[in-house]
Amino acid sequence: NAGVTQTPKFQVLKTGQSMTLQCAQDMNHNSMYWYRQDPGMGLRLIYYSASEGTTDKGEVPNGYNVSRLNKREFSLRLESAAPSQTSVYFCASSEPDRNYGYTFGSGTRLTVV
Amino acid sequence: GENVEQHPSTLSVQEGDSAVIKCTYSDSASNYFPWYKQELGKRPQLIIDIRSNVGEKKDQRIAVTLNKTAKHFSLHITETQPEDSAVYFCAASTDFGNEKLTFGTGTRLTIIP
Repeated sequence: NAGVTQTPKFQVLKTGQSMTLQCAQDMNHNSMYWYRQDPGMGLRLIYYSASEGTTDKGEVPNGYNVSRLNKREFSLRLESAAPSQTSVYFCASSEPDRNYGYTFGSGTRLTVV
Repeated sequence: GENVEQHPSTLSVQEGDSAVIKCTYSDSASNYFPWYKQELGKRPQLIIDIRSNVGEKKDQRIAVTLNKTAKHFSLHITETQPEDSAVYFCAASTDFGNEKLTFGTGTRLTIIP
């Protein structure tokens, strides 16, 4: 039982390049989330998906797109990376009504130069 | 939307002493308040949570208190140990956690041996 798996763990991009961060969970959770973590700013929600086939913007969605490919997978895409997107990205999942809180992935450290 | 403020941003306590971290929230509809612990280089992990229908919850050396009238909640760690050193995040959500979490900015707790 792997929980939430994120790939890659580290990535360096040049400004303007694109990439997709992958996230998969094996807990049969309905809800999935993408957060970014920056020093002194906590965890800020980028996008979330309450169920398969639905996605909604969070607090900081600009410059990102997401795809809820199926119940297990929720990917985050940077179409044209900018230095301001240098951050640690966490995927998380949860199951409403179980009240067990979020299960986070191990994170992706992204640097845009 | 919800706004969660967390204080202090850093906290150092002697081993064996108690630590208290406080959070305030803005949305009176919030009714689920989890706390996450993040060790250096690791993912955040849920350590305790509380719903708005109770005022206090304990789990061994950790307790959370909630004051709905004042819209604040606190994390209390007693008999602190070196392994308690980490960054702690509070969060708030409506619908008892069935909605997305809004996180505070984090408190870096250092336990001095």
